[in-house]
Amino acid sequence: DQQVKQNSPSLSVQEGRISILNCDYTNSMFDYFLWYKKYPAEGPTFLISISSIKDKNEDGRFTVFLNKSAKHLSLHIVPSQPGDSAVYFCAASGLGSNNDMRFGAGTRLTVKP
Amino acid sequence: DGGITQSPKYLFRKEGQNVTLSCEQNLNHDAMYWYRQDPGQGLRLIYYSQIVNDFQKGDIAEGYSVSREKKESFPLTVTSAQKNPTAFYLCASSTGGLRNTEAFFGQGTRLTVV
Repeated sequence: DQQVKQNSPSLSVQEGRISILNCDYTNSMFDYFLWYKKYPAEGPTFLISISSIKDKNEDGRFTVFLNKSAKHLSLHIVPSQPGDSAVYFCAASGLGSNNDMRFGAGTRLTVKP
Repeated sequence: DGGITQSPKYLFRKEGQNVTLSCEQNLNHDAMYWYRQDPGQGLRLIYYSQIVNDFQKGDIAEGYSVSREKKESFPLTVTSAQKNPTAFYLCASSTGGLRNTEAFFGQGTRLTVV
């Protein structure tokens, strides 16, 4: 039962344009959401997070938007750079157990120069 | 230079053999985790430990075992009972539980059964 879904396995954008990565979740009990970035043969690194009490969190070129009614969050990268090319995982936590963090399958972003 | 170290980076195992993956952290984190990544799937939790000498099963613990004798170390043993062990294994740690905090990941171990 995949409770966190990233329906786009890949995304390609031109350098300087906006990248929008999407994530949907099914359980309304999730209350904390994170995005991780992963390069090949490396572990994921934390990128940005958002609590369910907010609908937007911004950190430099990265902004995460949360729509609780739609159970949807998105990561915006503006402007996109070639170094942003990586796999991006969406994650959600808050289901009772302290350690119940669920990950999506990831979206591979390619930023073309 | 704090971080999490996983070794080895690549590991080959014959069918029927047990193999142990190492994970060490010097971040002074209480909690440590093991995840498995398969192509096209998200990270799935195998085991986690919130404190020394205590650990809990995650979603896919069957065929795996762990120990937490030291705060810094959380080794994972892939036993012969694990039916499909070929995967990318990730170790992580955090200051406490994963609620409202991020995890720090190691670079991973790719295990291949030959």
